[in-house]
Order: sequence, then C-alpha cells, then structure tokens
Amino acid sequence: NAGVMQNPRHLVRRRGQEARLRCSPMKGHSHVYWYRQLPEEGLKFMVYLQKENIIDESGMPKERFSAEFPKEGPSILRIQQVVRGDSAAYFCASSPLDGDANYGYTFGSGTRLTVV
Amino acid sequence: AQSVTQLDSQVPVFEEAPVELRCNYSSSVSVYLFWYVQYPNQGLQLLLKYLSGSTLVESINGFEAEFNKSQTSFHLRKPSVHISDTAEYFCAVKVPGTALIFGKGTTLSVSS
Repeated sequence: NAGVMQNPRHLVRRRGQEARLRCSPMKGHSHVYWYRQLPEEGLKFMVYLQKENIIDESGMPKERFSAEFPKEGPSILRIQQVVRGDSAAYFCASSPLDGDANYGYTFGSGTRLTVV
Repeated sequence: AQSVTQLDSQVPVFEEAPVELRCNYSSSVSVYLFWYVQYPNQGLQLLLKYLSGSTLVESINGFEAEFNKSQTSFHLRKPSVHISDTAEYFCAVKVPGTALIFGKGTTLSVSS
C-alpha cells in the first residue's frame, strides 16, 4: 500500500501563475482532506471532499482557491493567480470512512509551494 | 465549533528527562482526540488517539496521553525522552462528520 501520494513535493510559481497540487489517497480511502501549514500557525483545515462531492469547504479562501476529487484520478487543489502569501506547505490526508475515527487520517508528505 | 489550544509553542528538554506537552480543547459535543507527530520535511504521523473507554492511551514509543473531561485536556507525556523525539507535535480534535481540527503545534527539542 503506497500511502497518500502528493505531487509535486516542491512547486515554485511566479506571482499570477496557477498552482495545481495533486493528492492520490490510500487505496480504499474515499475521503480526502486538504490542510495548509504556515510557520507557527499549525495546520489549517481547507476542504473536505468525497468522490465528486465537496463536503465541507469552510476553510477555503473565497477567491482563487478550488478543489475537486473526481470519480477517477487524484484530488486536485488549484490556486489561481498565486500571490506571495500563498507560499506554504499543503498537506493532503485521506480516510476510509469519516464516521469511523478508528482509522484517523493518513497524511501525505506535502507539497511545498513557493511563490516568487 | 470545536477548537484546540496547545499551551506551549516550544519545549526544550534534556535527553532522558520527562516531558509534558499540554493540550486543551473546546467543544459542545463529544469529541475524539489525537496526537500527531511531524518530523522535519515530512507529513504527520498518528501518535495516539482517544476514542472512548480507558482515559489513558499509549503509543508504541513510550508516549502516553490522558483524557480529562472535566478539565477538557489531553496532555501528552513521556517519562524519558530521546534525541530522536525531537519533532513538532500536534494535538487534534474531531467530531464525526467534520474534519480534524489541529492546534498550532508544540516543537519539542531534545538536547544531550
């Protein structure tokens, strides 16, 4: 079992470009969560998705950010027109069944986005 | 809505000393509680969790945490730390059907 795979590990974008971050959940996991980590701020919840559905996007900025988890393929976090303040580590986690906390979340190694 | 407060942002200790990382939570409903550990440039790994039952939970590497409902706390302890325990530790709370909410983290630095 390959675990949660995130790519790329490092991403550099110029201001105004688009950033696409990918997350493949563990095999058998149908719930995906995205978090953003800034120094000394911990992990901030962004969005919770199931296949083809956004369950909770209360942590997503209102503009420029979007997420999807299609029927086939990885979950994508998209940031349009990036700004320097978007520089952060973005982590994806997956779980098999949200109602069963016995499994907790399995985290990927993150994508470190740097906006120059 | 639930929230988590980790009272110490940094905890420096010497090797083989005991350590306690403090965590308090706030929630109007019953919650599950977790501690995760993050080593440099890596993702988070589950350290231990409290779901129900015994209020004292243990990890395989000597950490333990005790759920205290009256004080709404879930402090993490280890009687004797190693250099390899140096990492950032996150306390988290979860209500079924909602996402895991994390504290800001505590950096544990173990020196010889």
